Amino acid sequence: KAGVTQTPRYLIKTRGQQVTLSCSPISGHRSVSWYQQTPGQGLQFLFEYFSETQRNKGNFPGRFSGRQFSNSRSEMNVSTLELGDSALYLCASSQGQGGQETQYFGPGTRLLVL
Amino acid sequence: AQTVTQSQPEMSVQEAETVTLSCTYDTSESDYYLFWYKQPPSRQMILVIRQEAYKQQNATENRFSVNFQKAAKSFSLKISDSQLGDAAMYFCAYRGLTDSWGKLQFGAGTQVVVTP
Repeated sequence: KAGVTQTPRYLIKTRGQQVTLSCSPISGHRSVSWYQQTPGQGLQFLFEYFSETQRNKGNFPGRFSGRQFSNSRSEMNVSTLELGDSALYLCASSQGQGGQETQYFGPGTRLLVL
Repeated sequence: AQTVTQSQPEMSVQEAETVTLSCTYDTSESDYYLFWYKQPPSRQMILVIRQEAYKQQNATENRFSVNFQKAAKSFSLKISDSQLGDAAMYFCAYRGLTDSWGKLQFGAGTQVVVTP
């Protein structure tokens, strides 16, 4: 099975712009979670989608949003970019049953905001 | 809110030796799951090992084993017979049962350096 894929891998934007990141989960996985990784704050949970519905959300401003399509692919959008949004954005997929099931991570999208 | 603490920013180990990484967590839940993930320079997060809180037996995966002390809320990872490929950042993660859909709570990470 192919792993989790994320596009693009690298992105440079300027303050005030918006950006859309994409994540394709492992075939058969219906849950996609998004994380932000920065040197200062570490790994922080953004949100989780399952069957096109947001089931959980972290403590991020409304500028961060996401959606999931019927094929389980997910996108996250950040509007009005700030310098502090520079980070590695990781997505992870799982079957969506919760509990001990493993989240499989993609390689990440590195976003640099200038 | 649950918190996960990794107090060792960096650990160094020689090839073939053993290293133990510490992790403590704070929770009011009685049932939960704990994980160790590895993040090499490629930045790809890879699951190393997982533990269910209701299981008293410590999990083992080849050269990786954990020491799970539920009462002390401690979850350490032991890497035996260290190899150069073990060099990476290691993250301890917690997953509870409440407000837990898709959410892993990570520690700050421990950088493991393996010397020949």
